Amino acid sequence: AQSVTQLDSHVSVSEGTPVLLRCNYSSSYSPSLFWYVQHPNKGLQLLLKYTSAATLVKGINGFEAEFKKSETSFHLTKPSAHMSDAAEYFCVVSGGRDDKIIFGKGTRLHILP
Amino acid sequence: DSGVTQTPKHLITATGQRVTLRCSPRSGDLSVYWYQQSLDQGLQFLIQYYNGEERAKGNILERFSAQQFPDLHSELNLSSLELGDSALYFCASSVGGRNQPQHFGDGTRLSIL
Repeated sequence: AQSVTQLDSHVSVSEGTPVLLRCNYSSSYSPSLFWYVQHPNKGLQLLLKYTSAATLVKGINGFEAEFKKSETSFHLTKPSAHMSDAAEYFCVVSGGRDDKIIFGKGTRLHILP
Repeated sequence: DSGVTQTPKHLITATGQRVTLRCSPRSGDLSVYWYQQSLDQGLQFLIQYYNGEERAKGNILERFSAQQFPDLHSELNLSSLELGDSALYFCASSVGGRNQPQHFGDGTRLSIL
């Protein structure tokens, strides 16, 4: 069975410092992995998707994620946080034998001025 | 703008009532997904339709039902409403199956009084 765990429910960083949002997954098959962002009172927006073409995936707004099969991780990073990055971030795994889509519980990112 | 339209944006009703939420997918997308987001349960996948047919079921209650019409718009029907059904309901669409990126609407906020 597939599962996804976002290791932090809240992360606070200062503006201009790096961001790291952690995600571990479990899957018996090669999964598809996504990161979505949700701003207040808005729907989710796709940040990036892992397609197995490259382990380092670049997304929108300067975000990127690295797929590490040995660690079953897909952590999201950004070199320099901006106030507009304050939002909730969801790691998602889909595919596999049962072809389910599973959302993590989300990580709320706070940006300190 | 994701291209996914959900109506209404807000809905206030009473326990025991029935409501219908509507979703128009992004042009060209054949799959529609419904999600429920609440503070205690997080983001829960309810159901997926692909080109008019039910493709997958998640944590959808028997009191809830959905359908996708020939023009690909979808409706989510919620009946015998309970206080615990108060939540944000999202619709998303994708070109194909669950390995494809999903495009989310801004949601319908349902409040049960």
